[in-house]
Amino acid sequence: DQQVKQNSPSLSVQEGRISILNCDYTNSMFDYFLWYKKYPAEGPTFLISISSIKDKNEDGRFTVFLNKSAKHLSLHIVPSQPGDSAVYFCAASGAGGGADGLTFGKGTHLIIQP
Amino acid sequence: SAVISQKPSRDICQRGTSLTIQCQVDSQVTMMFWYRQQPGQSLTLIATANQGSEATYESGFVIDKFPISRPNLTFSTLTVSNMSPEDSSIYLCSVPRLDRAVTQYFGPGTRLTVL
Repeated sequence: DQQVKQNSPSLSVQEGRISILNCDYTNSMFDYFLWYKKYPAEGPTFLISISSIKDKNEDGRFTVFLNKSAKHLSLHIVPSQPGDSAVYFCAASGAGGGADGLTFGKGTHLIIQP
Repeated sequence: SAVISQKPSRDICQRGTSLTIQCQVDSQVTMMFWYRQQPGQSLTLIATANQGSEATYESGFVIDKFPISRPNLTFSTLTVSNMSPEDSSIYLCSVPRLDRAVTQYFGPGTRLTVL
């Protein structure tokens, strides 16, 4: 049973527009939610995180929104750039944060069209 | 930031054989994690390896199939034993990011194909 779900395997967005990647989870015990970006033949790299006590976190072009009642989070990238083309993974952890194992979704392949 | 290297980067193996994957970190860390990403699937935690103690395995993973060593604070190995085609995956190690405790650094991964 998947505890973290990314229901869109791929997403195509025009350069300069907003990219919105979605993630749903089922486990109410998750304390932290993270987004990772992965290029082929490389390991995932951390983008942004949010604590379960917050509903929004911003870092430059990246904003993560958390809706606890809906068990849903989203990553907004504005404006989208060609270098953003990658696979994006949503992940969650318990109270231990990085000291806990992470639970990942299957990923969404974001393609930025010129 | 921690720099993590893995060896080999990729390998093609015959069923029934074993492969040992190495993970080297450029700083001392207490905890290391091993993950597997099967084709089209999410990254799944295999085990947590603490230096000086036995690895802790997640449900569905057993020590006989995935023995782990953690001889010091910068190094770990994961062995995939008696391989079958279902073991074809990317195997990744990670360490907690000390300056931002909520996340982890990942190695580049080892792409394993079992024929």
